[in-house]
Amino acid sequence: NAGVTQTPKFRILKIGQSMTLQCTQDMNHNYMYWYRQDPGMGLKLIYYSVGAGITDKGEVPNGYNVSRSTTEDFPLRLELAAPSQTSVYFCAGRENTGELFFGEGSRLTVL
Amino acid sequence: ILNVEQSPQSLHVQEGDSTNFTCSFPSSNFYALHWYRWETAKSPEALFVMTLNGDEKKKGRISATLNTKEGYSYLYIKGSQPEDSATYLCARNLYNNNDMRFGAGTRLTVKP
Repeated sequence: NAGVTQTPKFRILKIGQSMTLQCTQDMNHNYMYWYRQDPGMGLKLIYYSVGAGITDKGEVPNGYNVSRSTTEDFPLRLELAAPSQTSVYFCAGRENTGELFFGEGSRLTVL
Repeated sequence: ILNVEQSPQSLHVQEGDSTNFTCSFPSSNFYALHWYRWETAKSPEALFVMTLNGDEKKKGRISATLNTKEGYSYLYIKGSQPEDSATYLCARNLYNNNDMRFGAGTRLTVKP
């Protein structure tokens, strides 16, 4: 099925470990976004990309990195995991109508 | 207003009641205002994208209005049903038309 696919859905990390959250889409979205869900705070923008090879920081980029080598993939990397990065992460692609189409989310716990 | 702000934070209504909530946003450099519906344990789903001052959109019992000059949008739900229970998020493009920032949401609970 076409859509935005995130992996893994769940992950537990130890402090200091690194990992990559994968996001891939087959909807021809040029624009892609990474958000984190903070309780009572809605969605906070981490990074976004307007096309292959172009990325920009959002509200809360510290501790994260992204790349966009292809239109389809927009991975989010945590280099040194910290407890403050415990969250649910959502990847989204932007439709031509402007609407964001979200993946199912990745729940990350850092202990 | 520097950020996207939503009020109230939460709302409890009885089935059949009509309700509304507010999204306030910076009026400068406006590009678009979005509304999303977010059910627990699911992903946000788009309701409306609004771009023009005075714009009014409707989807079933849900409608929204937009005032770009004063920087606010209202979401209305007519005859609330328990299945309307969700968090309603608004978002706008800030600084440029690519950077999408969300408010904290209004959590609606509709009691049968």
